[in-house]
Amino acid sequence: GAGVSQSPRYKVAKRGQDVALRCDPISGHVSLFWYQQALGQGPEFLTYFQNEAQLDKSGLPSDRFFAERPEGSVSTLKIQRTQQEDSAVYLCASSTPLGGGLETQYFGPGTRLLVL
Amino acid sequence: GDSVTQMEGPVTLSEEAFLTINCTYTATGYPSLFWYVQYPGEGLQLLLKATKADDKGSNKGFEATYRKETTSFHLEKGSVQVSDSAVYFCALSDSNYGGATNKLIFGTGTLLAVQP
Repeated sequence: GAGVSQSPRYKVAKRGQDVALRCDPISGHVSLFWYQQALGQGPEFLTYFQNEAQLDKSGLPSDRFFAERPEGSVSTLKIQRTQQEDSAVYLCASSTPLGGGLETQYFGPGTRLLVL
Repeated sequence: GDSVTQMEGPVTLSEEAFLTINCTYTATGYPSLFWYVQYPGEGLQLLLKATKADDKGSNKGFEATYRKETTSFHLEKGSVQVSDSAVYFCALSDSNYGGATNKLIFGTGTLLAVQP
């Protein structure tokens, strides 16, 4: 079956522009995560959804970052008034919660955002 | 908070050499441990995992053992190939959701380059 897909794969934005990044998780996966990966670093957690409920947004770096998953499937990460420090790869992952750390998160290819 | 520390790269080896990439962690609970791999131009893929102390994860000739006494999860392979060239990330799952799906905390990644 299809894996996690993300679009666009690349986005160049001028400082101050708003951007929207899309994630299509694996069909039927209840859990959806967003991570931010700066150049040369490991991914860092941004936010987590279980179905349409956003259960954890503790990793969002500022109130310019907003994520939604209105129907419990596709998710959108929106960044308002982009800044140069927002330049990174944004990764989406989905999984089925099994508890006890047994679940596997499946990652999409990422969206590489460059803010000029 | 929980964290992962892994050896810095790049690690450069000749084909058929033995590989070790060190990973240690700090956690307040009992996390699951993971190794993810990122091949050039591709997304993150789960390589192997271990969910409790003394478990050994293995896949594609790679192995790692969950050592609670040394808080380590070192990645090993007996004979590397050119096709193993990639960035390897050690990660732990942070139990924040009452045993349900957990966010991942990653190390900074180790670049492995295998020369023919």
